[in-house]
Amino acid sequence: DVKVTQSSRYLVKRTGEKVFLECVQDMDHENMFWYRQDPGLGLRLIYFSYDVKMKEKGDIPEGYSVSREKKERFSLILESASTNQTSMYLCASSPLDQNTGELFFGEGSRLTVL
Amino acid sequence: GQSLEQPSEVTAVEGAIVQINCTYQTSGFYGLSWYQQHDGGAPTFLSYNALDGLEETGRFSSFLSRSDSYGYLLLQELQMKDSASYFCAVRLSGGSYIPTFGRGTSLIVHP
Repeated sequence: DVKVTQSSRYLVKRTGEKVFLECVQDMDHENMFWYRQDPGLGLRLIYFSYDVKMKEKGDIPEGYSVSREKKERFSLILESASTNQTSMYLCASSPLDQNTGELFFGEGSRLTVL
Repeated sequence: GQSLEQPSEVTAVEGAIVQINCTYQTSGFYGLSWYQQHDGGAPTFLSYNALDGLEETGRFSSFLSRSDSYGYLLLQELQMKDSASYFCAVRLSGGSYIPTFGRGTSLIVHP
């Protein structure tokens, strides 16, 4: 079974804290993604990576950075968390030659910033 | 640029048939996908239409008309467990494998 694992299901952080969200996939996929999901707004792409050490900005990268040091791991970093970053964060992966564009998602990390 | 429009909510009764529409405006794309997400769960892939026409997978079917910039997901013999959010997504042309998602449709199935 394909598996995308996000390290924390629920986090509560304070404004200004540095936050790390970790994601690991065991399918040897080249592509990895971070989305944020908010009610009524759907899934919005923050960053994606198509290879180790490669990254591309998505639609809403402001306030976020990412790290991909190993193929299986893609980390999302909030350098200084703010209350408007309270959200559900979803990690996903896909193989490079995926013809359908199918993404495999993790269970999500719900972040609350106080 | 691109945008996808879906109804925010659809309600139906068990055993019925429901259609969730998705209209899009995009400069070019490879195909239309559908995902299902239950409350608190991960989105899961349901179907993909690269060509015009109907794709059937059990109780679920998906349709695409490129000329009308329109697609839909059809759910038959509705069950309570089908209550979930459904997202359409387009995979844009230009070498990218990144789906862009609509805002989602909440399907509520009543007994």
